[in-house]
Amino acid sequence: KQEVTQIPAALSVPEGENLVLNCSFTDSAIYNLQWFRQDPGKGLTSLLLIQSSQREQTSGRLNASLDKSSGRSTLYIAASQPGDSATYLCAPQGVMNTGFQKLVFGTGTRLLVSP
Amino acid sequence: DVKVTQSSRYLVKRTGEKVFLECVQDMDHENMFWYRQDPGLGLRLIYFSYDVKMKEKGDIPEGYSVSREKKERFSLILESASTNQTSMYLCASNLNRGPSYGYTFGSGTRLTVV
Repeated sequence: KQEVTQIPAALSVPEGENLVLNCSFTDSAIYNLQWFRQDPGKGLTSLLLIQSSQREQTSGRLNASLDKSSGRSTLYIAASQPGDSATYLCAPQGVMNTGFQKLVFGTGTRLLVSP
Repeated sequence: DVKVTQSSRYLVKRTGEKVFLECVQDMDHENMFWYRQDPGLGLRLIYFSYDVKMKEKGDIPEGYSVSREKKERFSLILESASTNQTSMYLCASNLNRGPSYGYTFGSGTRLTVV
């Protein structure tokens, strides 16, 4: 059974810092991995998707890397801003017994960026 | 812009009521999912559907059922609501086309059972 751990659970930083959020997963037989952002009381917004054959993906100030064999992914946020404050969720997508893909979530990293 | 729409942001229901949570997607996605999210437990899969009238149990299906009569609509049904079903419910969909396609989520329904 896939288990996902995100470290740290919470992070508070001043504006402008570069950040690294960590995600580890126990089953390396994944299809892809998504990073999501969730604002309080809201749904999930997809930030980046890395296919299992890729090593990294970039979108603006965000860069996500994937090391499938060691079961690790990192999300790098450059020059953090107060608007980045949210919970960040990592979700590897594996294949269920039925042959369909399933997302398994970590409990997230809660980020607060202060002005 | 592609969307997954959940019909209610907030719902308050009484114990024992039958509750319907509705989800509609406009992306012609085959797969649709219902998750619930609770503090400290993260998101857990309740049910999913890979085609019209098809459904599969997720990790925590007890106390729930689902209906998918049309491709774009996936309903979660609480047959007899209980207080331990108070939670945030999230609907998602994706294309069954390969690893480059991710999930799209709705904005969530916060259900309180009193």
